[in-house]
Amino acid sequence: QKEVEQNSGPLSVPEGAIASLNCTYSDRGSQSFFWYRQYSGKSPELIMFIYSNGDKEDGRFTAQLNKASQYVSLLIRDSQPSDSATYLCAVGRAGGFKTIFGAGTRLFVKA
Amino acid sequence: EAGVAQSPRYKIIEKRQSVAFWCNPISGHATLYWYQQILGQGPKLLIQFQNNGVVDDSQLPKDRFSAERLKGVDSTLKIQPAKLEDSAVYLCASSSTVALQETQYFGPGTRLLVL
Repeated sequence: QKEVEQNSGPLSVPEGAIASLNCTYSDRGSQSFFWYRQYSGKSPELIMFIYSNGDKEDGRFTAQLNKASQYVSLLIRDSQPSDSATYLCAVGRAGGFKTIFGAGTRLFVKA
Repeated sequence: EAGVAQSPRYKIIEKRQSVAFWCNPISGHATLYWYQQILGQGPKLLIQFQNNGVVDDSQLPKDRFSAERLKGVDSTLKIQPAKLEDSAVYLCASSSTVALQETQYFGPGTRLLVL
């Protein structure tokens, strides 16, 4: 079992739809959960972080965390073609240690 | 505020040669990370520094990879000798605090091709 698992995709959604990206992790000691976006040929950039169970909203993005199920997700509302990228889930322990990235999910938003 | 700087941006070498990468983190960031990202995969942490001390190098292939962070600022990552499977993008990242809410800022990366 991989430590951080994501569906590789590609996930294709029409413009304006909701894109749902999922991530599971194996380390129950994980306390920090991040979503990064990576455009082709570029470096990852942080979209959101979440530490507590429940939902966290930031603009069109909502991160959801369920530690009991070891599951974290990212919802993108009103998807735009500019959201087309690979989305990386990263999970770590307190203090920024042992941060592990998933392989990423490729998202295509069709105009 | 200037971002994380890396050089070179691209490097092509033959197997068994040596190569070095340089990283200058965001000013004031105490924590520095080196990642290896192979095409189609997520970044894999190679080494993490806090100031000039190593806090995690468990995934660094120490028989061929080495890294240092002099004076707790710039860092270099070296591969000697390189293998074909080292072809990847090497990403440097920095963060301002080793805490629950740290955010890592990534540099542009160095693309390495080993022939």
